[in-house]
Amino acid sequence: EADIYQTPRYLVIGTGKKITLECSQTMGHDKMYWYQQDPGMELHLIHYSYGVNSTEKGDLSSESTVSRIRTEHFPLTLESARPSHTSQYLCASSIGLTGYYTFGSGTRLTVV
Amino acid sequence: GQQLNQSPQSMFIQEGEDVSMNCTSSSIFNTWLWYKQDPGEGPVLLIALYKAGELTSNGRLTAQFGITRKDSFLNISASIPSDVGIYFCAGQLWRDDKIIFGKGTRLHILP
Repeated sequence: EADIYQTPRYLVIGTGKKITLECSQTMGHDKMYWYQQDPGMELHLIHYSYGVNSTEKGDLSSESTVSRIRTEHFPLTLESARPSHTSQYLCASSIGLTGYYTFGSGTRLTVV
Repeated sequence: GQQLNQSPQSMFIQEGEDVSMNCTSSSIFNTWLWYKQDPGEGPVLLIALYKAGELTSNGRLTAQFGITRKDSFLNISASIPSDVGIYFCAGQLWRDDKIIFGKGTRLHILP
């Protein structure tokens, strides 16, 4: 069973609203990641964290922000949602240098 | 930045057929990985390869880490309907925490 949880699973929200996508893992992993993926398309890394109080931007520029105050929690925030933010957001975590990422089930965001 | 070239982009096959996909790069990787993403879910690790030339099986799946460290392939034998999904190769550079994903191979099984 997955030990990384994302909520909500689906979200439809109006333009201009502030939203936070939640991601929590119970595996004690130090590294966490956010990916953006349009349906059926490639994965784009938008944020990552190597531990508490560590956050870095990924390869794809994103207007979202992240925080890592606790090891198990890595929320993503959009201050003002726009239709261009419509996508699926996947959270993942890992430990060590094995390349073994555990992914959540994703949040499918639609901004209308 | 580093890029992985994954092919084919899509495959349409009959149930029972064998499947082959591969990933190449101009960079040398320390680790090669293969993930599968079912519709509506996050990717799940299928096979991890840590040594050049390594050939590893997981049920009907077989993957190899190329001798040059610049490529890897994944074979699926006797495909079944639950094999449908997107297969991503991924490479990890020496002592880099992040992995680089290919653009995926979309596997479709014709009725």
